Amino acid sequence: SSELTQDPAVSVALGQTVRITCQGDSLRSYYASWYQQKPGQAPLLVIYDNEIRPSGIPDRFSGSTSGNTASLTITGAQAEDEADYYCNSRDNSGFPNYVFGTGTKVTVL
Amino acid sequence: QVQLQESGPGLVKPSETLSLTCTVSGGSIGYDFWSWIRQPPGKGLEWIGYIYYSGSSNYNPSLKSRVTISVDTSKNQFSLRLSSVTAADTAVYYCAKGPAMFDPWGQGTLVTVSS
Repeated sequence: SSELTQDPAVSVALGQTVRITCQGDSLRSYYASWYQQKPGQAPLLVIYDNEIRPSGIPDRFSGSTSGNTASLTITGAQAEDEADYYCNSRDNSGFPNYVFGTGTKVTVL
Repeated sequence: QVQLQESGPGLVKPSETLSLTCTVSGGSIGYDFWSWIRQPPGKGLEWIGYIYYSGSSNYNPSLKSRVTISVDTSKNQFSLRLSSVTAADTAVYYCAKGPAMFDPWGQGTLVTVSS
C-alpha cells in the first residue's frame, strides 16, 4: 500500500482557493514535490523541496509542510488547473526509495 | 532545454522481458540521475527506479527482482528492462530526470502485456 495518502477528489469554485494534502510519516524527514497531470499528458512538476515553484509555474501554486503533512494550495483556481495532482517523497525505509501519493482529482466548478 | 523521449515495443507477451529506452536531448546525461516511472491505465504513478550517469542504481523494492536500469553515456540514453511481465505490468511508462524532483518527463509510452 502507498505510504503517502491523499484525498481522492476535491472541488473548488472558479477563482477560489483549494488545498490538497499529502500525509505520510516520511514527510517529517524528507522533502515533498508535487505534480500536475492532465488527461493524456505526462505529469508536470509544480512544487519541489516542499515549497519551491519551478520557473514558469504560476504563483497561484504554493506548497507548505507541517509535521507529517505536505500541502499544495491553489489560490484563485483557474479552469486550466483542473487535473490530477500527485505528491512524491522518499519512503521511510532508510534507503533512497521514492513513493508517489495516491493522487487527488481537482475539479474546478 | 533537456527533453526526453521513450522508445520501445508497445506490445509484450506474458513472461517475456519489457525493454524501453529513453533518449536525452538538449543536454548531457552526465552528472545527473535518471528515473523510470509507470502508470497503469486509470491508476496512479509508481516509481520504478533510478540510475546515476556513472551506472549506480536503485530500484523500487516491489520490482527489484525483475528490474534492471542501465545507462549508455555515449548515446545519451538510459534503458529499462523488466522481466517476467504479466498483465499487471501494462502501463504507460515514463522516463524522467530525477529523483527527488522529477523534471522534465518524457511523453510516455504505453506498453501492453498480452498474448
